[in-house]
Amino acid sequence: GAGVSQSPSNKVTEKGKDVELRCDPISGHTALYWYRQSLGQGLEFLIYFQGNSAPDKSGLPSDRFSAERTGGSVSTLTIQRTQQEDSAVYLCASSPAGVGNNSPLHFGNGTRLTVT
Amino acid sequence: AQSVTQLGSHVSVSEGALVLLRCNYSSSVPPYLFWYVQYPNQGLQLLLKYTTGATLVKGINGFEAEFKKSETSFHLTKPSAHMSDAAEYFCAVTLKTGANNLFFGTGTRLTVIP
Repeated sequence: GAGVSQSPSNKVTEKGKDVELRCDPISGHTALYWYRQSLGQGLEFLIYFQGNSAPDKSGLPSDRFSAERTGGSVSTLTIQRTQQEDSAVYLCASSPAGVGNNSPLHFGNGTRLTVT
Repeated sequence: AQSVTQLGSHVSVSEGALVLLRCNYSSSVPPYLFWYVQYPNQGLQLLLKYTTGATLVKGINGFEAEFKKSETSFHLTKPSAHMSDAAEYFCAVTLKTGANNLFFGTGTRLTVIP
């Protein structure tokens, strides 16, 4: 079956522009995560959605970052007024029930964002 | 708070040699532990996980890891490296219950020398 799909796969933007990154999770997965992967930094948690509950936004690095999940399915990560330090690979993952319930994450291939 | 430390950002082994990738964790409660692998130009995928029960867990492609509570470690091993094992490996930890955040280490890039 289809895995987690992210688009675009690559995005180059100028400093100060806004960008939107899209994630289509695996159908039926209630949990959705966004991570950021920077060179030499590992994976940095950004935000977590679980069903209809309020999202865990504790990992968002600044108020320029926001995310939505419409209808419990597709999610969009928005970065406003991009800065060069935002350059990274943004990874989306979905899970049937969240890792705390012994449910592994299924990752997309990521969106590589380059801010020039 | 939970965290993981992966010792060695780069590891090189000869084909056929033992693979040992180190991971130590810190957690105030018993953790769930995971190893994920990222092959070139692919997304991360689960290699193996420890939740409860047997402390030696086996994963895909001949990898295994042992949960050692006394050492707070979850090292990943494979007896004989294959060229196709070249990838980046990430250790991760989460609580057994409660929060669903998964904390990742900084990753170890494995190179296999022919």
